[in-house]
Amino acid sequence: DVKVTQSSRYLVKRTGEKVFLECVQDMDHENMFWYRQDPGLGLRLIYFSYDVKMKEKGDIPEGYSVSREKKERFSLILESASTNQTSMYLCASSSPGAGNEQFFGPGTRLTVL
Amino acid sequence: AQSVTQPDIHITVSEGASLELRCNYSYGATPYLFWYVQSPGQGLQLLLKYFSGDTLVQGIKGFEAEFKRSQSSFNLRKPSVHWSDAAEYFCAVGARSNTGKLIFGQGTTLQVKP
Repeated sequence: DVKVTQSSRYLVKRTGEKVFLECVQDMDHENMFWYRQDPGLGLRLIYFSYDVKMKEKGDIPEGYSVSREKKERFSLILESASTNQTSMYLCASSSPGAGNEQFFGPGTRLTVL
Repeated sequence: AQSVTQPDIHITVSEGASLELRCNYSYGATPYLFWYVQSPGQGLQLLLKYFSGDTLVQGIKGFEAEFKRSQSSFNLRKPSVHWSDAAEYFCAVGARSNTGKLIFGQGTTLQVKP
């Protein structure tokens, strides 16, 4: 089974802290994605990566950065967390060879106080 | 512009009743089409997908969806809803490309009455 894991299910941070959200997939997928999910807004793409060290901005990249040093790992970084970044963060991976079906991790519920 | 619309934010059905969740999309070419389900506090799970061929696709948990090119729709159906189907449902579309980006609808929350 494809497995996408995220480092934390719940995280509480303070305003101004640097926050790292880690995502690991075990299916050798080329593509990896970070979304945030807020009620009524669905899933919004923050960043995605289609290869190691390659990244592209999604729809809402402001306040975030990413890192992909290894194929299986995709990190989301909040350089200076703010209260409006309190949200559910979802990581996903996919492969063009498998029709671009995205496989999701369980999510990280981040609260910024 | 590319977009996905799920017109119903919230739907309530009785257990045992039939279900149809609507999805309309705006896309330049025939895209890949997906339905995902999300139980509370969980990630998204794929229910079914359409790439090509037969426009009626079968998925897990007794769900099916029909692709109608003329209507730019991909509606999800289930003949008899179970209480465990209560969840949020997302329709998504994507290009046949290497980047794999998907566009998601805003989701439909399904409540099941006993």
